[in-house]
Amino acid sequence: GIQVEQSPPDLILQEGANSTLRCNFSDSVNNLQWFHQNPWGQLINLFYIPSGTKQNGRLSATTVATERYSLLYISSSQTTDSGVYFCAVEQGNQGGKLIFGQGTELSVKP
Amino acid sequence: DAGVTQSPTHLIKTRGQHVTLRCSPISGHKSVSWYQQVLGQGPQFIFQYYEKEERGRGNFPDRFSARQFPNYSSELNVNALLLGDSALYLCASSYRGQGNNEQFFGPGTRLTVL
Repeated sequence: GIQVEQSPPDLILQEGANSTLRCNFSDSVNNLQWFHQNPWGQLINLFYIPSGTKQNGRLSATTVATERYSLLYISSSQTTDSGVYFCAVEQGNQGGKLIFGQGTELSVKP
Repeated sequence: DAGVTQSPTHLIKTRGQHVTLRCSPISGHKSVSWYQQVLGQGPQFIFQYYEKEERGRGNFPDRFSARQFPNYSSELNVNALLLGDSALYLCASSYRGQGNNEQFFGPGTRLTVL
């Protein structure tokens, strides 16, 4: 089956710093989503981005489907950005099944 | 509009018992998927239901079952609970069953099996 790899696994930043999270996937996909999981376990939708570039405030994402990777950019990080960031992909013949990476745990220090 | 809702939020059971978890999708969404997330890992797909029919099943034993009701809400049932079933159970809803299909997650049910 498709493999989804996220890097780095852990990241510690000072408040105000920028960061880039990466998601590599091993096969073609028709859906890619980025989520932020807060300390209470809620998965918050950040981007639905099977291809192209999107921006939402301090966050932006780019997916290059032909090269099978996606990047999540966080600028001017804040302590509230702390948590685990997941990339998840769906293949067209898999009945709506999202395959998640192992996540990147981000800690932003004041 | 209300998001995806799940009940209960927390649950403690003992080995061998049965549990039922409930999920209500976003209004207008016809698909519900269930995921299990154990500590330190990403969520793992269990089931997807679309228009009240099972459309996908993950690699979970037959102790896990689910159904979707005419109002598109869903139940996940787990029989003969094992310690390893302790996890956060997440429900996701989407408008369509697959393809170009953003999924939205509920807050989860945290199950502890003693």
